[in-house]
Amino acid sequence: GENVEQHPSTLSVQEGDSAVIKCTYSDSASNYFPWYKQELGKRPQLIIDIRSNVGEKKDQRIAVTLNKTAKHFSLHITETQPEDSAVYFCAARRGYGGSQGNLIFGKGTKLSVKP
Amino acid sequence: DTAVSQTPKYLVTQMGNDKSIKCEQNLGHDTMYWYKQDSKKFLKIMFSYNNKELIINETVPNRFSPKSPDKAHLNLHINSLELGDSAVYFCASSPRGSTEAFFGQGTRLTVV
Repeated sequence: GENVEQHPSTLSVQEGDSAVIKCTYSDSASNYFPWYKQELGKRPQLIIDIRSNVGEKKDQRIAVTLNKTAKHFSLHITETQPEDSAVYFCAARRGYGGSQGNLIFGKGTKLSVKP
Repeated sequence: DTAVSQTPKYLVTQMGNDKSIKCEQNLGHDTMYWYKQDSKKFLKIMFSYNNKELIINETVPNRFSPKSPDKAHLNLHINSLELGDSAVYFCASSPRGSTEAFFGQGTRLTVV
């Protein structure tokens, strides 16, 4: 089955700096890669996602890149703000229906943005 | 409000008890899931349920059983609770053909 590795487990940056979180996946059939943000005591929420037919996607201060050959994808947050502090999860998914539709999550990165 | 809602939000119980967590989604989604988030924040799929097809993660003990009375509900029953079952349990749902999972607010289960 799919295995998703995520690094680093913790990341501390100064406000205004950039933050990068990296993930690798094992199943070459995976074709959907979302990123979820979980604030303390709250539910995970989708912030950005990318499909395997796209190499990069950007939404304001956040961007995700995907390297299918190397089977890794990354989340980039620019101009970080204190409200970006949270746990970020990457995930991978093969398709729809049955076990293929299950999101397999990385172990999370706790991002702390210091004012 | 349209959402995925879980009850209760907090559940404290003794070892050996049987408990249930309810989940309801009014989004019209076709697939529902249960995830377990342990103390290290690791999110792990437990079950997915789509059109009466139940997919079980092989690592989930058979003390855990999902029950779906209808398309909008997927409840989680846990028998003979153990200390290691303490975690936050998240229900989630996805619409047909979509990849985004919408999560409930979580149920923090504490077994004492």
